[in-house]
Amino acid sequence: DTGVSQDPRHKITKRGQNVTFRCDPISEHNRLYWYRQTLGQGPEFLTYFQNEAQLEKSRLLSDRFSAERPKGSFSTLEIQRTEQGDSAMYLCASSLIRGGTEAFFGQGTRLTVV
Amino acid sequence: DAKTTQPPSMDCAEGRAANLPCNHSTISGNEYVYWYRQIHSQGPQYIIHGLKNNETNEMASLIITEDRKSSTLILPHATLRDTAVYYCIVRVGRGQGGKLIFGQGTELSVKP
Repeated sequence: DTGVSQDPRHKITKRGQNVTFRCDPISEHNRLYWYRQTLGQGPEFLTYFQNEAQLEKSRLLSDRFSAERPKGSFSTLEIQRTEQGDSAMYLCASSLIRGGTEAFFGQGTRLTVV
Repeated sequence: DAKTTQPPSMDCAEGRAANLPCNHSTISGNEYVYWYRQIHSQGPQYIIHGLKNNETNEMASLIITEDRKSSTLILPHATLRDTAVYYCIVRVGRGQGGKLIFGQGTELSVKP
């Protein structure tokens, strides 16, 4: 499978715990995006990387959230001290830098904070 | 903020063409129109994109008006499996990161 892969698919955690999600993009894609989606809403942009550099962070990305993309390959999104409001689907997408190309999404990680 | 406007819901009979409209009156010259769909609990699936010309692939056709202020996604022979939320997106230029900014989408229901 050469698509975007996310792990885990589902995560249930207790409030206050830290969680980390992983995204493996399509191998030649320089850009990697993280989105969050709550029930009934469209995905909301969180942050993106161009190779290993994190170039933009949405105001939705509070101090409890951190993302990395070491070596410009896979990326991780960590949420510290989770809150019930963090419950959502976290989506990863990747694309080439070149304009007019497709961006492909993974299947997402569904986080439930109890 | 999303730069597109779509009807919140539409119905279509199985086997008929589904025509999903989208308004993007503030689109800039270098911005592309993208369409994705999302079936419950799955990641968005890429359908098609275009800049100025009409486009067709194995999934759908995209018709963009000459002034580029609106477009229509056409599913030529809708099936029950095409029931999904369809998102029309104006993708920001690659100089601004090429982000996809989603709106609320159109919930398409294909009925037997």
